[in-house]
Amino acid sequence: DGGITQSPKYLFRKEGQNVTLSCEQNLNHDAMYWYRQDPGQGLRLIYYSQIVNDFQKGDIAEGYSVSREKKESFPLTVTSAQKNPTAFYLCASRDPPSNQPQHFGDGTRLSIL
Amino acid sequence: QKEVEQDPGPLSVPEGAIVSLNCTYSNSAFQYFMWYRQYSRKGPELLMYTYSSGNKEDGRFTAQVDKSSKYISLFIRDSQPSDSATYLCAMSVYNTDKLIFGTGTRLQVFP
Repeated sequence: DGGITQSPKYLFRKEGQNVTLSCEQNLNHDAMYWYRQDPGQGLRLIYYSQIVNDFQKGDIAEGYSVSREKKESFPLTVTSAQKNPTAFYLCASRDPPSNQPQHFGDGTRLSIL
Repeated sequence: QKEVEQDPGPLSVPEGAIVSLNCTYSNSAFQYFMWYRQYSRKGPELLMYTYSSGNKEDGRFTAQVDKSSKYISLFIRDSQPSDSATYLCAMSVYNTDKLIFGTGTRLQVFP
């Protein structure tokens, strides 16, 4: 089945630690996105990538980093510089030439120990 | 003022009711409009996708866009307990990757 796989479902971070969230898609989509979701707020864009080896900052990129070495993979690192990392993180992808909307994975919930 | 406004609810209705969910927006450049359904601890699932003004129907769901009023709606007919979820509206300007989301409306359908 084609889809977007995020792992792990739950992740705990200690103070001063970097953690990496995985996002893999087998939809052959060129574009991939990372969002953060907090209670009472809409999804906010962290980073996005339209092609391999290229990515752009979204609205709240500070304290996060990404890489796009393969078309199917777009990992997100939450660094120790992100002072409020507790949130639900969602990865999405889409096929820009078809102008179809984004499809989402099932998210990773990150909490602070 | 937020670009997209959505009443957070919760909206509680009996099974079989017609549900109306709404979003207003301020950016007249938005051309693509989406509704996503999100169950607890899951990712958003695309329900409806429309371009420009007008209505689009898919089974029990109807999406309506009124660009002159900057207002979009999602109607759910014959609502079911399985429709209980948070509904997110989202919109974008043509040829851009940026989706702007509403905060979501939590819907509860009781038997």
